[in-house]
Amino acid sequence: QSVLTQPPSVSGAPGQRVIISCTGTSSNIGAGYDVHWYQQLPGTAPKLLIYGNSNRPSGVPDRFSGSKSGTSASLAITGLQAEDEADYYCQSYDSSLRAYVFGTGTEVAVL
Amino acid sequence: EVQLVESGGGLIQPGGSLRLSCAASGFTVSTNYMSWVRQAPGKGLEWVSVIYSDGTTYYADSVKGRFTISRDNSKNTLYFQMNSLRAEDTAVYYCVRGSGYYYDWGQGTLVTVSS
Repeated sequence: QSVLTQPPSVSGAPGQRVIISCTGTSSNIGAGYDVHWYQQLPGTAPKLLIYGNSNRPSGVPDRFSGSKSGTSASLAITGLQAEDEADYYCQSYDSSLRAYVFGTGTEVAVL
Repeated sequence: EVQLVESGGGLIQPGGSLRLSCAASGFTVSTNYMSWVRQAPGKGLEWVSVIYSDGTTYYADSVKGRFTISRDNSKNTLYFQMNSLRAEDTAVYYCVRGSGYYYDWGQGTLVTVSS
């Protein structure tokens, strides 16, 4: 049972911008803990996409951007490409659970 | 180049035990935070355990008291001893480098708990 809620799916046409939300509570995102994002292509291990709310590891295109406000965070993908079809997960820490927590996951489809 | 290679997964009966291994290269396990993250078939990601560089360990409530994370510094290898396995432990188990966030992942090893 994840404490970070994401929409099950989002979709967009090539070149469009899509946004994935990650809604938490006062014991995780709202408590000031950083949010990180992962991309999981079909049949592969997840890959770090955004860390520390808005930072991109080396090699991640600047089409991917992250932000955080209050008890929520968002991942934006601009200039959507077919290769972006994947599952995306947010992740943070929860002080009530004393555990690292992942979001429910969002499947991105490119129409 | 950083590499994490898991092994030890397989089919095990409920109540049984299994030990996963994660051989690391390109960095030193003992000076990094190392974690196990699992993913049940068709489901999302779940953090399971972490071992800090000072040896401190933490576990998710779902595995506390049954699973043990450890490392062998001489072999640069991370381990995950899983006892009293249940059907709900069925998942791909990933060895990952990091604690607050996970920047290197292994390919995963599948553990199936079934009679």
